[in-house]
Amino acid sequence: GAGVSQTPSNKVTEKGKYVELRCDPISGHTALYWYRQSLGQGPEFLIYFQGTGAADDSGLPNDRFFAVRPEGSVSTLKIQRTERGDSAVYLCASSLGAGQGNTGELFFGEGSRLTVL
Amino acid sequence: KQEVTQIPAALSVPEGENLVLNCSFTDSAIYNLQWFRQDPGKGLTSLLLIQSSQREQTSGRLNASLDKSSGRSTLYIAASQPGDSATYLCAATHNAGNMLTFGGGTRLMVKP
Repeated sequence: GAGVSQTPSNKVTEKGKYVELRCDPISGHTALYWYRQSLGQGPEFLIYFQGTGAADDSGLPNDRFFAVRPEGSVSTLKIQRTERGDSAVYLCASSLGAGQGNTGELFFGEGSRLTVL
Repeated sequence: KQEVTQIPAALSVPEGENLVLNCSFTDSAIYNLQWFRQDPGKGLTSLLLIQSSQREQTSGRLNASLDKSSGRSTLYIAASQPGDSATYLCAATHNAGNMLTFGGGTRLMVKP
């Protein structure tokens, strides 16, 4: 597609459940990022993929959070045993990877709004 | 650790005014700085990107400047319109990889 696509756009779940959020980046973008945005705040970095590997996962808050990008394109953010504090908008972005002479501009999807009841 | 701060947190102006949004960052070793617009319930739209070697970028009524030595960037909006009402976010990219560190945003309201 023309832009970054995220599904679902909205997800309501109960405390303790497992959730998967999907991101389909811009075609040809090797770098993919997950951010989390709480109401009234700026996005916070979670994890960055360069190709299939996680180049930096220092933003993942704890071991309940995990992300994969098995073929270097689509990525899935997985949250186990969800807690009410996980409620936020999860944003995905992609860019041409570092080292390819690019400007480093990131392009964001519309986000997945997660509500944990 | 890079920290990005935006002042003011909220701003309300009458239509037609020129305005300046401020962004400061603590680590001057940045790769670039991006300004984004976010409408309620929506994702982020990139407005301007200034590379570390540049001083400013312009797009229409928007002008963004960058002063790495002082750790500051400003977004200037000329002749503001009600349609400019949104949250404006600045974000600095680290030298290592393209990870962004965001400020908290400025919520702008332009009154007709």
